[in-house]
Amino acid sequence: AQSVTQLGSHVSVSEGALVLLRCNYSSSVPPYLFWYVQYPNQGLQLLLKYTTGATLVKGINGFEAEFKKSETSFHLTKPSAHMSDAAEYFCAVSRGQGGKLIFGQGTELSVKP
Amino acid sequence: EAGVAQSPRYKIIEKRQSVAFWCNPISGHATLYWYQQILGQSPKLLIQFQNNGVVDDSQLPKDRFSAERLKGVDSTLKIQPAKLEDSAVYLCASSQGLPGGTDTQYFGPGTRLTVL
Repeated sequence: AQSVTQLGSHVSVSEGALVLLRCNYSSSVPPYLFWYVQYPNQGLQLLLKYTTGATLVKGINGFEAEFKKSETSFHLTKPSAHMSDAAEYFCAVSRGQGGKLIFGQGTELSVKP
Repeated sequence: EAGVAQSPRYKIIEKRQSVAFWCNPISGHATLYWYQQILGQSPKLLIQFQNNGVVDDSQLPKDRFSAERLKGVDSTLKIQPAKLEDSAVYLCASSQGLPGGTDTQYFGPGTRLTVL
């Protein structure tokens, strides 16, 4: 069975600092991995996804993530945090042909001025 | 390109009442999903349609929840009767329906339901 674990339900960084949100997956087959962001009172927006090919994936708003099979990880990073990055971030794995998403617990990112 | 539309955005009802939510997916998207997101939790899939057929409804509480997707386009999710624990945001998402699980799901803004 596939599952996703996000380490840290809340992460706080200063504006301009590195953002690192951790995600580990368990999967018996090569996974398809996604990062979504959710702003207050809004739906989820795709930041980036890994399916096949290059293991370093670049997304929107300056975010990127690296798929590391040996560590079963797909951590999300951004070199310099902006106040507008404050939101909830969800890592997800796609299960099966139907594409059902299994979400992690979410990480709330706060950005201090 | 228009995104996924949902209505209403907010709904307040009393327990044991019924309620319905509507979703209009992105044009041409074959797959439609309904998720339930309880406050402070991650979204959980309730039901998945491929065109107008149900692919997965294993997590749908069928004694009170029902959903349909007429003509493979719009969809309606209904709760009857509602319970206090149904208070949540109901998210609709759609995707092209590509095989293999690589599809990107696009989410609507959600309907926030409060059951009193």
